[in-house]
Amino acid sequence: QVQFVQSGAEVRRPGASVKISCETSGYTFTDYAIHWARQAPGQRLEWMGWINGGSSITKYSQKLQGRLSITTDTSATTSYMELSNLTSEDTAVYYCARGRIYFDPWGQGTLVTVSS
Amino acid sequence: SYVLTQPPSVSLAPGNTARISCGGDDIGSKNVHWYQQKPGQAPVLVIFYDTDRPSAIPERFSGSNSGNTATLTVSRVEAGDEADYYCQVWDSYSDHPVFGGGTKLTVL
Repeated sequence: QVQFVQSGAEVRRPGASVKISCETSGYTFTDYAIHWARQAPGQRLEWMGWINGGSSITKYSQKLQGRLSITTDTSATTSYMELSNLTSEDTAVYYCARGRIYFDPWGQGTLVTVSS
Repeated sequence: SYVLTQPPSVSLAPGNTARISCGGDDIGSKNVHWYQQKPGQAPVLVIFYDTDRPSAIPERFSGSNSGNTATLTVSRVEAGDEADYYCQVWDSYSDHPVFGGGTKLTVL
């Protein structure tokens, strides 16, 4: 059974950074890409970026380029998403998901709250 | 960037058929995927490549795609089908996925 388990909720001050983990199991980690997306309260899903599980090649959305870093630890079959220079607009639930063209499964989500 | 348009809401009584549209320029030439998201939960894939259904998803869920509109159909709607539904395509021009705005399905 493929499982994606994310780290817990985070609260940050504006200007700080946050790093979320996504621990995977049940499949060959290097065979699939992992994507990260977020959903602000009452808003649509927003794609953030992805990483190739085998090569670690990444691609980020233009909007987040420069603030976003997605990495993997192959030995731990875990992906990490780090977002820097946070503002209130980054308050959202963050998701990791497996796939290349479509996404299945998804992690349970991690709430990040940015507040002074 | 490619834009997907969904109606904000669809409401119907149990036992009826829900049809949720996803509009996009020549979307029929793209592969469309659909996700169900219940309150406080992560999205779940219900349809991929326009018409395919993961094994855990009931046969009541089906999809179609032609012209400028893709459609998710939920037959014999049940209370447990209440959720937000999102369509998604891969935008080959920008080389990243695009999501629709989501449709809230309410079972009266």
